[in-house]
Amino acid sequence: DSGVTQTPKHLITATGQRVTLRCSPRSGDLSVYWYQQSLDQGLQFLIQYYNGEERAKGNILERFSAQQFPDLHSELNLSSLELGDSALYFCASSPQGTGMTGELFFGEGSRLTVL
Amino acid sequence: DQQVKQNSPSLSVQEGRISILNCDYTNSMFDYFLWYKKYPAEGPTFLISISSIKDKNEDGRFTVFLNKSAKHLSLHIVPSQPGDSAVYFCAASANTGNQFYFGTGTSLTVIP
Repeated sequence: DSGVTQTPKHLITATGQRVTLRCSPRSGDLSVYWYQQSLDQGLQFLIQYYNGEERAKGNILERFSAQQFPDLHSELNLSSLELGDSALYFCASSPQGTGMTGELFFGEGSRLTVL
Repeated sequence: DQQVKQNSPSLSVQEGRISILNCDYTNSMFDYFLWYKKYPAEGPTFLISISSIKDKNEDGRFTVFLNKSAKHLSLHIVPSQPGDSAVYFCAASANTGNQFYFGTGTSLTVIP
């Protein structure tokens, strides 16, 4: 158990809909990262938050947004969903904001299926 | 642009033999490298790391080698066990950066 909790584990929805994925980081970790893993793809970095503020942005679509709340949990909002958004979405946490010399602790992922 | 590449999608090895998983990177700013292991229906878990000031790091059956001039790293598992069957991701970061770049993974199967 990494200590990172993601909900829901599975989600099936239709094109055009909006969903919210939730992540609770390990106790004490200030950074939350969101990654997307599509079929046969590696983990694509979407966005990082550190102590409530956006710190880095990767290949995140404009239809996607995220935030980190004062209690440090994070939500990833995916809107106007398309078939290609079907993927595993991982949240990871770490105590660091910058200086990537430590490991990330991953949750079990949220599997999104868009029909 | 894939800055970290794992060109072998899969690898099969007999139990007790050595497993060698390879990873190449393109960004010369990367100075910290990790290997993660992922079982089905679970998140990736950290396995071993190496800083660019070293060329080898060992942890039990797992050894990571770094060849900076070739921008190549490899993970050696000796001896391989059936429980090692999983997808292995390599990842890289720059000390001044804010993210890890992951490869596409290599699925290792250890045959009993």
